[in-house]
Amino acid sequence: QVQLQQSGPGLVKPSQTLSLTCAISGDSVSSNSVTWNWVRQSPSRGLEWLGRTYYRSKWYNEYAVSVKSRITINPDTSKNQFSLQLKSVTPEDTTVYYCARGNWGAKGAFDIWGQGTMVTVSS
Amino acid sequence: DIVMTQSPDSLAVSLGERATINCKSSQSVLNNSNKKNHLSWYQLKPGQPPKLLIYWASTRESGVPDRFSGSGSGTDFTLTISSLQAEDVAVYYCQQYYSSPPYTFGQGTKLEIK
Repeated sequence: QVQLQQSGPGLVKPSQTLSLTCAISGDSVSSNSVTWNWVRQSPSRGLEWLGRTYYRSKWYNEYAVSVKSRITINPDTSKNQFSLQLKSVTPEDTTVYYCARGNWGAKGAFDIWGQGTMVTVSS
Repeated sequence: DIVMTQSPDSLAVSLGERATINCKSSQSVLNNSNKKNHLSWYQLKPGQPPKLLIYWASTRESGVPDRFSGSGSGTDFTLTISSLQAEDVAVYYCQQYYSSPPYTFGQGTKLEIK
C-alpha cells in the first residue's frame, strides 16, 4: 500500500523559504512509471498544481508558471522522499499544501495524496 | 493552458436524490492515440486530502461506491451521484492531465444537502 507522509513547519515568515518534505512508502521516488507532485489548495484559488519531479533514465522537473521563479522540487533517493522549497513567500502563499503521486500510465491521475500541511505565512 | 470550468459552483440536493456536476474543458482532452479522455474527478472534504473518484473520465477508482459515475468525452464531462448520501457532502473538482503540464483543475463545486 502506497503512502505519502508530509512533514515541515506550519509557520513561515514573509520573504523566507517554505520547505516541506514528502516521504514515500510502498513505492520508489525513482520509479519510471509515476511522477511526484506538489499541489496546493485554498478557498480562493481552489486546487493548484505547483510542480513535479520524476525519473525517466534521468531526473526531470517541471513547474507551474505562477511559481516557476520561486520553486524547487528535489528528489532524495537515499531517503525515498521528495521536497518542496518555495522561496520569498508572501501571505498569499498561506494555504494547504499536498504532495501527490501522478500515476499517469495506469490511471492518468493523482491517485495517492499526502495528508496535507497547512502553511501560514506570517511574521 | 487548458481551462477547466465547472457548473454549478454550488449545488444542494436532497438525500437519495441525484446530483450532477458538469465540467467543460477549453480544448479536447481526448487522446487520439489511446482513445482515452484525460479527465479525472476528485472529492475534497474538510481536513482530508483530495480523494480520486474517477479517472479516464468514466473509470471508478477502487473502493469508490458505485453511486458515483463519470461520463462525457472531448470537452464536456459529467460527474453523477445517483443517490446522494450524507457522507457525499464535499467539494468536487475535475482535472485534466492532457499532454504537458500544467494539470489544471476546475474551480470546484460545493455539494450540500437540501
